[in-house]
This record gives sequence, structure tokens and C-alpha cells, in this order.
Amino acid sequence: NIVLTQSPATLSVTPGESVSLSCRASQSISTSIHWYQQKSNESPRLLIKYASQSISGIPSRFSGSGSGTDFTLSINRVESEDFSIYYCQQSYSSLYTFGAGTKLELK
Amino acid sequence: QVQLKESGPGLVQPSRTLSLTCTVSGFSLTSYGVSWVRQPPGKGLEWIAAIWSGGSTDYNSALKSRLSISRDTSKSQVLLKMNSLQTEDTAMYFCARGAYYFDYWGQGVMVTVSS
Repeated sequence: NIVLTQSPATLSVTPGESVSLSCRASQSISTSIHWYQQKSNESPRLLIKYASQSISGIPSRFSGSGSGTDFTLSINRVESEDFSIYYCQQSYSSLYTFGAGTKLELK
Repeated sequence: QVQLKESGPGLVQPSRTLSLTCTVSGFSLTSYGVSWVRQPPGKGLEWIAAIWSGGSTDYNSALKSRLSISRDTSKSQVLLKMNSLQTEDTAMYFCARGAYYFDYWGQGVMVTVSS
């Protein structure tokens, strides 16, 4: 199974800061990584597909990068609505897996 | 617009079989795959199974022996069955459009396994 390790587990920031969330794969997965945001008691929302491809309706402050084993979700100038949990997910292998998540919280 | 809605029993006894239905609208099951993903209370996401637009299926290998996914295209429904339920199967069960990544999600249905 491909294991995705997200770091940090929790990130405390103030609105207006820019942040980077990391997702590391246990083996090379090309760009088969996708990012989701999940707010409390809501369903996940797709933010980025295939490492860096934007999704219609998602604010431009969200961007993704990386390939191989190291991936990053960047949020330029965090807004109050961005405080939630972020998950990465791989589709390289037929057994899809998610990372454990990074919680973005208000400092 | 694209919508997915899960339905099923909220409470299931241990060792019994769970049957969940995902009813979709705004897209065709013959054009898009649908997956099931679950989330235990306070924990992360786990992909369970997918049915592709052509009707082929994929399962989480850790759960495969207990799972069955199928669809009824005339009703725009995807069905998930899981047998031999245990308390660790207690979770929110989501269906989502897509078989590689998931661009639309249902609201989820909470399933509690308890006697």
C-alpha cells in the first residue's frame, strides 16, 4: 500500500499568512495526488487534482505543486473560511489512500 | 446540478450486512464512476470501493472479501453491501463522483454498528 504522510499535523496561523502543507508518498506516484478540504461536519471538497491542476470554483489562493514523492498544497494569504482539515489522496495504485490530514487552525 | 445522496440504516447489529444506496442526479453513471469513502468519528478518510463508468469495479483490498458494489443505471443508483459488520465499521459513509479523484460528494450517512 502507498502510505501518504502529511505534515505538520496541525498548523496554527493568523489570517493573511501564507502557508504550505506537505504530503509525502512512500513511493513515487508521479503526479497522481489530489487535495481536499473538509470543514467540521461537512463533506470533503476537491481543491486540486493531479498535483497542480486547478478546480473550477476553487479560489485562486489555493495551489498545488510537486511530483514523485513530495507534494505541497499552498494557500496564499489564509482567510478565515480556510480553517479546516486538508487531506491528500493518491490514485497511482488501485488501492487509493488518503493522508491523515493537516488541521489548519487559528493562532 | 450534480448531486449525490446516500441512504441506508443508521444502526446495524454486529455480524449483519449493511446495504447503502447512493442516488445521483445531474450526471450519468455510464459517463462517470462513483466511489464510496468512509470516515470513522474523529478520524480520517478511507476509500472503500469504486464502480467505473463501464461497470467494472475496484475494492479496498483490506475489505474486499466483505464488499460488493453494483449499480442500477435505470434508477441512477449505486449500491454498496458490506457483510460481517463489526464495531470498527462505525463511520460516516460518503459516496462521491469519480474513480480516480472525487469532485462531488454526498452529505454522507452515519452508520453505527451496535447491538
